[in-house]
Amino acid sequence: AQSVTQPDIHITVSEGASLELRCNYSYGATPYLFWYVQSPGQGLQLLLKYFSGDTLVQGIKGFEAEFKRSQSSFNLRKPSVHWSDAAEYFCAVGPYGGSQGNLIFGKGTKLSVKP
Amino acid sequence: DTEVTQTPKHLVMGMTNKKSLKCEQHMGHRAMYWYKQKAKKPPELMFVYSYEKLSINESVPSRFSPECPNSSLLNLHLHALQPEDSALYLCASSQARTVSTDTQYFGPGTRLTVL
Repeated sequence: AQSVTQPDIHITVSEGASLELRCNYSYGATPYLFWYVQSPGQGLQLLLKYFSGDTLVQGIKGFEAEFKRSQSSFNLRKPSVHWSDAAEYFCAVGPYGGSQGNLIFGKGTKLSVKP
Repeated sequence: DTEVTQTPKHLVMGMTNKKSLKCEQHMGHRAMYWYKQKAKKPPELMFVYSYEKLSINESVPSRFSPECPNSSLLNLHLHALQPEDSALYLCASSQARTVSTDTQYFGPGTRLTVL
């Protein structure tokens, strides 16, 4: 069955510290991977996506993610966290190649930032 | 521009009311989606329109009625809702579900409260 796992429900980091949010997926075909961020009461904003090619992808707001096929992972990283990064982060996997599947979301990781 | 707009931002309605949520995009996207999101949960897919035709209905109760009057607009008509329907309703759009790199872009959501 297709699934996305975000093992950490809640992470707290200090401002200026580095960040890594974990995402593991189970998908029968070639996955198409996303990270979205959601501030309280807001919609989802696309941070970055992996389609193919270079396994290290750069996104907005200084975020990057690395696709590791051998580990079925797509972890999100940021070298120095800012207070404004506090939000909920969702990893999602979608079908590749135009098939009619839907986005599958992980349960999300809430990021808190200490001053 | 990757903007999806939604109105209203907030809506409070009684269980006997009829109301509508609106979603608009001007990116030329031909797929549009309604999601429901409860607090501290990922979005749940409700409906998908592809080329203005309803292609997916995820067993949503009939008190929710979607409508896609044209390729830029998506409505969600609400009637006889229950308090448990209170949630954030998110609209999303994507280029087309037959495109291999299809990416969903989300609106800011409508916060619905049913009294």
